[in-house]
Amino acid sequence: GAGVSQSPSNKVTEKGKDVELRCDPISGHTALYWYRQSLGQGLEFLIYFQGNSAPDKSGLPSDRFSAERTGGSVSTLTIQRTQQEDSAVYLCASRSPGQGSYEQYFGPGTRLTVT
Amino acid sequence: AQTVTQSQPEMSVQEAETVTLSCTYDTSESNYYLFWYKQPPSRQMILVIRQEAYKQQNATENRFSVNFQKAAKSFSLKISDSQLGDTAMYFCAFMKRLGADGLTFGKGTHLIIQP
Repeated sequence: GAGVSQSPSNKVTEKGKDVELRCDPISGHTALYWYRQSLGQGLEFLIYFQGNSAPDKSGLPSDRFSAERTGGSVSTLTIQRTQQEDSAVYLCASRSPGQGSYEQYFGPGTRLTVT
Repeated sequence: AQTVTQSQPEMSVQEAETVTLSCTYDTSESNYYLFWYKQPPSRQMILVIRQEAYKQQNATENRFSVNFQKAAKSFSLKISDSQLGDTAMYFCAFMKRLGADGLTFGKGTHLIIQP
């Protein structure tokens, strides 16, 4: 079956512009995660959605970052007024429901470059 | 907060050799989950192996096995009969509660398998 998909695969934007990154999880997966991978900070957890519950936003680096998940499926990560330090690969992962379901399945990521 | 440390930024071995990647972590939790993920140049994160902290038996998956030392908070990955396709970044990751938290990753080890 189809895996986690992310779009766009690459995005170049000018400093100060807003960007939206999209994640399509595996069908039936109720948990969805966003991570950021950068040279300086490594892999960082950003936000977690479980079904229709309010998300855990504890990892968002600033109030310029927000995320939503519509209908418990597709998620968008929005970065407002982008800064050069936002340049990174943004990874999305999903996980199936049920006890004993550990594995997070990752998408290929979106490489964001802020110029 | 949890921390994960991978002390080997890069390792290089010959094909067919056995290699061990180190990982230590710090947590006050008594029950948790540990993972090794592989990230080839394609950026796709792939789960290699997982270990539940309450299980004493070390996990194995074909050529991959772990040495889990709970008291020492150590979780090393052994790759036997290494293959060229094993060349990738390897990340050790910690999860506090099943699914309720994002993964905490180490900085990664770049493993190069030489022909």
